[in-house]
Amino acid sequence: SQQGEEDPQALSIQEGENATMNCSYKTSINNLQWYRQNSGRGLVHLILIRSNEREKHSGRLRVTLDTSKKSSSLLITASRAADTASYFCATALYSSASKIIFGSGTRLSIRP
Amino acid sequence: SAVISQKPSRDICQRGTSLTIQCQVDSQVTMMFWYRQQPGQSLTLIATANQGSEATYESGFVIDKFPISRPNLTFSTLTVSNMSPEDSSIYLCSVDRGDTQYFGPGTRLTVL
Repeated sequence: SQQGEEDPQALSIQEGENATMNCSYKTSINNLQWYRQNSGRGLVHLILIRSNEREKHSGRLRVTLDTSKKSSSLLITASRAADTASYFCATALYSSASKIIFGSGTRLSIRP
Repeated sequence: SAVISQKPSRDICQRGTSLTIQCQVDSQVTMMFWYRQQPGQSLTLIATANQGSEATYESGFVIDKFPISRPNLTFSTLTVSNMSPEDSSIYLCSVDRGDTQYFGPGTRLTVL
């Protein structure tokens, strides 16, 4: 079963705008990871944030984590057509850090 | 990171038959994971495969339907047995490297 839910389920924005996706989860975690998947292909790892971290940056990506609210957000700034993909959060449980559980995903479309 | 390959990349099979999917990693790993992604859905963990021991299956998945082999530290197979159209999915293997999980390109299975 899914550990978390993501919202929105689908997001369509204009190229150049920022995209924000949210992830909520249910149990205590060791870390949270964000992945991108293009058209049903393999997953590309984007960024990992540990439970003791609150914010992390990687290029145009910014991830926040609020463990008190059991939620995370992924911000993509200055979006490009190539950012069109599905984005998934995945949580490594505190009790079993090697096993990760995926959220429901957000389908992001960037309009040219 | 990790370099992971899967064979076959895709297949179309008849109901009632079985398909074995191979996963090869570029270096030794303790645990390998198998996921299923049904059309339009997120990823669901099928089982965790440790070398030298039986795989651990998640709720809803059984060994008779999804037998797994792990003959060495760089290789694993997942068999989808007695297939039905409901088994049409993308099957992905993954490994963890440090805190991060890396995924293979996936095997797209269609059952007619």
